Amino acid sequence: EPEVTQTPSHQVTQMGQEVILRCVPISNHLYFYWYRQILGQKVEFLVSFYNNEISEKSEIFDDQFSVERPDGSNFTLKIRSTKLEDSAMYFCATDPSSYEQYFGPGTRLTVT
Amino acid sequence: AQKVTQAQTEISVVEKEDVTLDCVYETRDTTYYLFWYKQPPSGELVFLIRRNSFDEQNEISGRYSWNFQKSTSSFNFTITASQVVDSAVYFCALSPINFNKFYFGSGTKLNVKP
Repeated sequence: EPEVTQTPSHQVTQMGQEVILRCVPISNHLYFYWYRQILGQKVEFLVSFYNNEISEKSEIFDDQFSVERPDGSNFTLKIRSTKLEDSAMYFCATDPSSYEQYFGPGTRLTVT
Repeated sequence: AQKVTQAQTEISVVEKEDVTLDCVYETRDTTYYLFWYKQPPSGELVFLIRRNSFDEQNEISGRYSWNFQKSTSSFNFTITASQVVDSAVYFCALSPINFNKFYFGSGTKLNVKP
């Protein structure tokens, strides 16, 4: 069964550094999402992406964050100048046609 | 405003007991979807069920059952004859009809003891 993959599974970075989290969507999926889960807390929506542009973003998704689909396959989340509070699990989700979101296994980001 | 409330932070049961996880939601939309996800200790989100607001029929899948009551804005999840492998955090979520984003509850941690 096709599945969403995310790399790396765990990323450790120093405060102030830039990180790029990668997601490989299920083939033919058209809608892409990023969510964040701070340890022990609920999953929070960050951004949705369709047709090469952001459809919707939350108040969490400030100028520090950006998303793109650079090569038509990978879907990336870039965090510029990471902060301690960016430490969280980041989930990518993809969706064939506004029907159902399939979640990836997540990338655990640790900012030290 | 959209909101999902899971009032039970943590529940502990002994294996073979039945357990119900509560979910109450708020939305101004007339059509929407409700979901349950399981998050085992390994951290991934495992899809359990999707329900649209037009369908209030209860659903049973093996030991799992779901009770959707639009009148009380609730979508409760019952595990019958719980097993140790059911130990996880369970999230209820709400989505508008266009699926543009999910609103998750804060989760209920279920501990099933042998």
